[in-house]
Amino acid sequence: NAGVTQTPKFQVLKTGQSMTLQCAQDMNHEYMSWYRQDPGMGLRLIHYSVGAGITDQGEVPNGYNVSRSTTEDFPLRLLSAAPSQTSVYFCASRGHPQGELFFGEGSRLTVL
Amino acid sequence: GQNIDQPTEMTATEGAIVQINCTYQTSGFNGLFWYQQHAGEAPTFLSYNVLDGLEEKGRFSSFLSRSKGYSYLLLKELQMKDSASYLCAGASGGSYIPTFGRGTSLIVHP
Repeated sequence: NAGVTQTPKFQVLKTGQSMTLQCAQDMNHEYMSWYRQDPGMGLRLIHYSVGAGITDQGEVPNGYNVSRSTTEDFPLRLLSAAPSQTSVYFCASRGHPQGELFFGEGSRLTVL
Repeated sequence: GQNIDQPTEMTATEGAIVQINCTYQTSGFNGLFWYQQHAGEAPTFLSYNVLDGLEEKGRFSSFLSRSKGYSYLLLKELQMKDSASYLCAGASGGSYIPTFGRGTSLIVHP
């Protein structure tokens, strides 16, 4: 049972570099989302998607892009990384509106 | 989204009972989730409350009062492995978008 798979688990970037965090789920979930978690700040929603072709902004979307071309995949793109984007990123999906979120293992990103 | 408020840190003794409170804004509220997160790991689901009252699941119970915008997570017979962060999340709006509180770090000592 793969569930939600995130890659990479760790990444170090230099300021201004771009990268994509990958997220895939094999549960046929319509809803997928990206959170960042910083010490003392809890989980903050970056972007979410309620189905293929549909994305929307969360609480902290600036500096991040997403797309949802398939039900399975929901990549998060950092176009020009900044030190403020140093964080742990979690991808999560759910099967129905009142269902629990299933989280990936997280991606720890450091921007120097 | 919701304004979710919960204590930052709590400590308790092994074998004891602890109650972690959570308050939220009631406008647009649909339901309340609790998640557990051990250090360095992903959050895992504990409970979901949509109606008023207490839901019991083994050693863990969760309570909701919609009119008061209040929930709590009750942990009984505490074990050392219960040391973790407990996240309260309110679902709101038509898409039931979860908004998380900052989490309560629970330290269980012998």
